[in-house]
Amino acid sequence: AQSVTQLDSHVSVSEGTPVLLRCNYSSSYSPSLFWYVQHPNKGLQLLLKYTSAATLVKGINGFEAEFKKSETSFHLTKPSAHMSDAAEYFCVVRPLGTGGSYIPTFGRGTSLIVHP
Amino acid sequence: EAQVTQNPRYLITVTGKKLTVTCSQNMNHEYMSWYRQDPGLGLRQIYYSMNVEVTDKGDVPEGYKVSRKEKRNFPLILESPSPNQTSLYFCASSSQDRGVYGYTFGSGTRLTVV
Repeated sequence: AQSVTQLDSHVSVSEGTPVLLRCNYSSSYSPSLFWYVQHPNKGLQLLLKYTSAATLVKGINGFEAEFKKSETSFHLTKPSAHMSDAAEYFCVVRPLGTGGSYIPTFGRGTSLIVHP
Repeated sequence: EAQVTQNPRYLITVTGKKLTVTCSQNMNHEYMSWYRQDPGLGLRQIYYSMNVEVTDKGDVPEGYKVSRKEKRNFPLILESPSPNQTSLYFCASSSQDRGVYGYTFGSGTRLTVV
């Protein structure tokens, strides 16, 4: 079994300040973890992924996330927010390397609001 | 360009009138899936398919049907739509990659049932 908890439904920051979007997971298997971004009226775009290699993962648009097994967390960060980062962000977990099991579990999403 | 194509993007229909939302991918992916997105509930899986002629129910399959006759196509069928199926729908695909790759999503279909 697996689950994902995004700890904040909304995060509000000022442009130029750091971003932290929190994600905790549980999984019976070694997990793959993903962050997706959804801009208004758009589909979901892959930001970054963790698949058992380096625990600090760098993604697109300056985002990165750190896999912390002891804390079962995969928080998404960015040093300096830009207005274009305003979007919905989803944390996703799925089993890694378990053959035919491709079923991902989505978090409920965190809405990032960026103020000028 | 590698992509998942959904059609239509927007659809308004009446209760009980059968409709089909198409989904096609050009990446030769084995895995395809349908999700609905509702405010506060995130994405919930409706149906998924591991390969041609192999489909299975997700978390919220009631009122939906799917088929996978060809690898590239995975249509979502609402035989008798109801207002509670008003939602934003996404199709996604993935390769048989044992978790290494992510999923590619379509742009979404916003369905309104009146």
